[in-house]
Amino acid sequence: DGGITQSPKYLFRKEGQNVTLSCEQNLNHDAMYWYRQDPGQGLRLIYYSQIVNDFQKGDIAEGYSVSREKKESFPLTVTSAQKNPTAFYLCASSMAGPNTEAFFGQGTRLTVV
Amino acid sequence: AQSVTQLGSHVSVSEGALVLLRCNYSSSVPPYLFWYVQYPNQGLQLLLKYTTGATLVKGINGFEAEFKKSETSFHLTKPSAHMSDAAEYFCAVSDRWGAQKLVFGQGTRLTINP
Repeated sequence: DGGITQSPKYLFRKEGQNVTLSCEQNLNHDAMYWYRQDPGQGLRLIYYSQIVNDFQKGDIAEGYSVSREKKESFPLTVTSAQKNPTAFYLCASSMAGPNTEAFFGQGTRLTVV
Repeated sequence: AQSVTQLGSHVSVSEGALVLLRCNYSSSVPPYLFWYVQYPNQGLQLLLKYTTGATLVKGINGFEAEFKKSETSFHLTKPSAHMSDAAEYFCAVSDRWGAQKLVFGQGTRLTINP
């Protein structure tokens, strides 16, 4: 079945460590996105990529980094510069162009202790 | 800039009652509007979307929404609530450039009372 796979589902890290969240899609979508979800704040866009080897900052990119070396993959690294990294992270993908909705993965819950 | 306001962070209805979740948007260009549902510790699933054409949009699980340009609203309704409808619902808006500019509301948690 086609879809978006995020791994792991739960992740624990010590403060000051970088951590990478995986996102893979087999929908043949050109665009991919990372959102952060905090209680009562909806979803906020971290980074997005419309094509391979290109990506743009979203609204809250500070303390995060991404890469897009393959169409299927869009990993997110939460760096030690991110002041409050504990959150639920959602990866999404969509076809390029207007009139298209985003398809979401199941999310990764990151807890930094 | 686009924005979305969902009125009511928590809504509680009885099983069998009408569900009404409110969404107002702000957009300087004709919007594309979406409703998503999220179950605990899960990703988001599309319920329905409005792009162009008919202003009353029907989605999955018996939900529908009406685009009212004059009121800048896109409220979500379901005639009869079911226990399985308990979840968080998000309204989102994008412009003609597509999902990369998808802006979400803060979400409404729907509780169904037996």
